Amino acid sequence: SQQGEEDPQALSIQEGENATMNCSYKTSINNLQWYRQNSGRGLVHLILIRSNEREKHSGRLRVTLDTSKKSSSLLITASRAADTASYFCATDAGGAGSYQLTFGKGTKLSVIP
Amino acid sequence: DTEVTQTPKHLVMGMTNKKSLKCEQHMGHRAMYWYKQKAKKPPELMFVYSYEKLSINESVPSRFSPECPNSSLLNLHLHALQPEDSALYLCASSQAPGVDGYTFGSGTRLTVV
Repeated sequence: SQQGEEDPQALSIQEGENATMNCSYKTSINNLQWYRQNSGRGLVHLILIRSNEREKHSGRLRVTLDTSKKSSSLLITASRAADTASYFCATDAGGAGSYQLTFGKGTKLSVIP
Repeated sequence: DTEVTQTPKHLVMGMTNKKSLKCEQHMGHRAMYWYKQKAKKPPELMFVYSYEKLSINESVPSRFSPECPNSSLLNLHLHALQPEDSALYLCASSQAPGVDGYTFGSGTRLTVV
């Protein structure tokens, strides 16, 4: 079953610009995670934000979480061509000890040099 | 070692063949996962092993048979597959829920002919 829905589905920006992707979900969560996938390869974990956190930073990445609106956003600042990839949000919504992560549809980001 | 290793990287098999996908990690992670990803779609959870025991089977057809011989290895045995089973099969592992993200392998690109 699918939990997260990313918006937009595709995003094209110039190098140096900021990129913002949004994710909405339906049920209560333990945490929300963002992953990057380069074409046809494995996913790379970017950042995890817990349900009691509102904002988290990692390098050029900034993630926010609004549990009242069941939404999250990923901001990539000063984008680079190497940031071109698909970005997925994933929610951990299971019970205690849950090992079940459900992925959204993803946003395809293209950064033009 | 901070990687999940999947073999083979590519596999072409006939509908009457029996083959196996292999996944290995040496990070001491106690949960391991199989995901299936079709082109331009998000990964979909197939199986979860927690402490070497199958904890989640997402209603996967019996032609897919998982096996966890020990805490470092995860296999996916394939038999009598259909062309629609062609996809990228991703293995992942995690230490514990809500603590960190998943580490994914680079996947096996499976084509059923």
